[in-house]
Amino acid sequence: EPEVTQTPSHQVTQMGQEVILRCVPISNHLYFYWYRQILGQKVEFLVSFYNNEISEKSEIFDDQFSVERPDGSNFTLKIRSTKLEDSAMYFCASSSSQGQNTEAFFGQGTRLTVV
Amino acid sequence: LAKTTQPISMDSYEGQEVNITCSHNNIATNDYITWYQQFPSQGPRFIIQGYKTKVTNEVASLFIPADRKSSTLSLPRVSLSDTAVYYCLVGEYGNKLVFGAGTILRVKS
Repeated sequence: EPEVTQTPSHQVTQMGQEVILRCVPISNHLYFYWYRQILGQKVEFLVSFYNNEISEKSEIFDDQFSVERPDGSNFTLKIRSTKLEDSAMYFCASSSSQGQNTEAFFGQGTRLTVV
Repeated sequence: LAKTTQPISMDSYEGQEVNITCSHNNIATNDYITWYQQFPSQGPRFIIQGYKTKVTNEVASLFIPADRKSSTLSLPRVSLSDTAVYYCLVGEYGNKLVFGAGTILRVKS
């Protein structure tokens, strides 16, 4: 079964450092997403990406965040200067189309710990 | 946007059927009802989706009454591995999924 792959599984970084979280979406999918989940809280939408541009972003996704699809397979989330409150699980997802009839496939997540 | 209400948690025993009900009183005509499952430290996983009446797949059944103001996810004969958080999502939110708090299902032996 095709799956979304995320690396690393766990990243520890110092406050103020830049981190890049990597994702390989399912190969024939066109829509890509990042979500995060702070420990014990809801899964929150960060950003959606289609046709090499951001299609929607949440209030959480401020200037410290950026996304990129540097080649035909990877999809990355960069946090420019990490804060303690950025500690969370970050999930990448992809889908073949959009709309409520579309199934989104999520990766296993990257646990980001900012110290 | 349709607001959803689910129980915070449920307990069950292995082998039992579990029914999780979600209320969505202001569901719109075009809204579908979708359920996702999330195991600890993993990403959410699509389980089932429906519009009306009953939908069944290899994992679960989804019952939707005629007024569509609620829906029930039914998991037959649960096992310990079904311990997870179950999310009911209703409607379309543009380019994103909007998750609530979900229902924590604990299956005991």
